[in-house]
Amino acid sequence: GAGVSQSPRYKVAKRGQDVALRCDPISGHVSLFWYQQALGQGPEFLTYFQNEAQLDKSGLPSDRFFAERPEGSVSTLKIQRTQQEDSAVYLCASSLAPGETQYFGPGTRLLVL
Amino acid sequence: GENVEQHPSTLSVQEGDSAVIKCTYSDSASNYFPWYKQELGKGPQLIIDIRSNVGEKKDQRIAVTLNKTAKHFSLHITETQPEDSAVYFCAARAGANNLFFGTGTRLTVIP
Repeated sequence: GAGVSQSPRYKVAKRGQDVALRCDPISGHVSLFWYQQALGQGPEFLTYFQNEAQLDKSGLPSDRFFAERPEGSVSTLKIQRTQQEDSAVYLCASSLAPGETQYFGPGTRLLVL
Repeated sequence: GENVEQHPSTLSVQEGDSAVIKCTYSDSASNYFPWYKQELGKGPQLIIDIRSNVGEKKDQRIAVTLNKTAKHFSLHITETQPEDSAVYFCAARAGANNLFFGTGTRLTVIP
């Protein structure tokens, strides 16, 4: 079946621009996670949704980062006034239920110039 | 929070040999330990996982062992093949929360 999909796959932004990254989780998956993966590093947690509720946003690095999942399916990660240090791969993962296996999407590679 | 350390950072083996990657974790509440394989330009793919009530789990050429007392777990790949070449990440989780990842091991299998 269809896995987690993300779009765009690549995004180049000028410093100061706003970007929006989309995640389509596996259909029916309750839990959705966003991770940030810097070059040569492991993914680091950003935020977690259970259905439409954002239960944990402790990993968001600044108030320029905002995530939503208004209908409990598709999620959007928005970064305002992008900075060069925001350059990374942004990964989305979903799981059928809390505590179940997390399945990752291919990621969005963001480059801020 | 949880801190996961992973060694080695790079590993080269001859095709057919075994590969072992080791991780340690700091949070005694962690009870779930997955391993992911990440190929270039792709997202992490789960290859095996283990929960804290089990000491060892095997799936064909891949096995994972867990030592809760010492807070370490290891990935074992036997009879390595060129297609096993990738970056491998260990991770740990307490409860139903987010995963904490290690820094990755780049495995190269030399034909």
